[in-house]
Amino acid sequence: DIQMTQSPPSLSASLGDRVTISCRAGQNIDTFLNWYQQKPGEAPQLLISAASTLQSGVPSRFSGSGSGTEFTLTIDTVQREDFATYFCQQSSLTPWTFGQGTKMEIK
Amino acid sequence: QVQLQESGPGLVRPSETLSLTCGVSGAPVSSSLYYWMWVRQSPGKGLEFIGYVNNNGITNYSPSLKSRITISVNTSKNQFSLKVNSVTAADTAVYFCARVKWTTMMKSHFETRFYHMDVWGKGSTVIVSS
Repeated sequence: DIQMTQSPPSLSASLGDRVTISCRAGQNIDTFLNWYQQKPGEAPQLLISAASTLQSGVPSRFSGSGSGTEFTLTIDTVQREDFATYFCQQSSLTPWTFGQGTKMEIK
Repeated sequence: QVQLQESGPGLVRPSETLSLTCGVSGAPVSSSLYYWMWVRQSPGKGLEFIGYVNNNGITNYSPSLKSRITISVNTSKNQFSLKVNSVTAADTAVYFCARVKWTTMMKSHFETRFYHMDVWGKGSTVIVSS
């Protein structure tokens, strides 16, 4: 299985901050990388597919970049509704695997 | 608007079979444009790929669960289901069903699919306990 490692596991941010979350794949996955947001008690919600394609309806303050083994999710100007847990997921090889998550809390 | 809804028992005895169904509205499970997937989430293991089924009943299972699981699609009821045999406490989790969609791009002259889960159910908590 391809291991996905996110950093940091948690972070504190203030409203209006710019936040960066990293995801590292255990082997080259090209751009087969998705990002999800999950709030407590809810299902994950797709934010970005294919490393950098923003999904319809997702605010433009979210962006994704990277290829190969290193990927980044950036949130520009954090809003209150962005405090949640973020997961990366690779779809290069089955079984598709997820990072352990990055929990973003309000400072 | 596409919606998915899991249903099934919340408590299963050890060694018995866990059965969940995902009802789909707003999209046909008979469509060749999607796969239908199960994912589970537990504090110990995080989000875990269980497997998916396509409209023809062809499946892709996690190797670690393959010997115990069955995922099937029922086009007449527009739903798909998951069965996990011989459950233990390690199968205690929130089980999500999801729709798998893909975008197609050219990579090295080959048409390549980029898969993602674009619609999820709310999740069903299953506890394995006697």
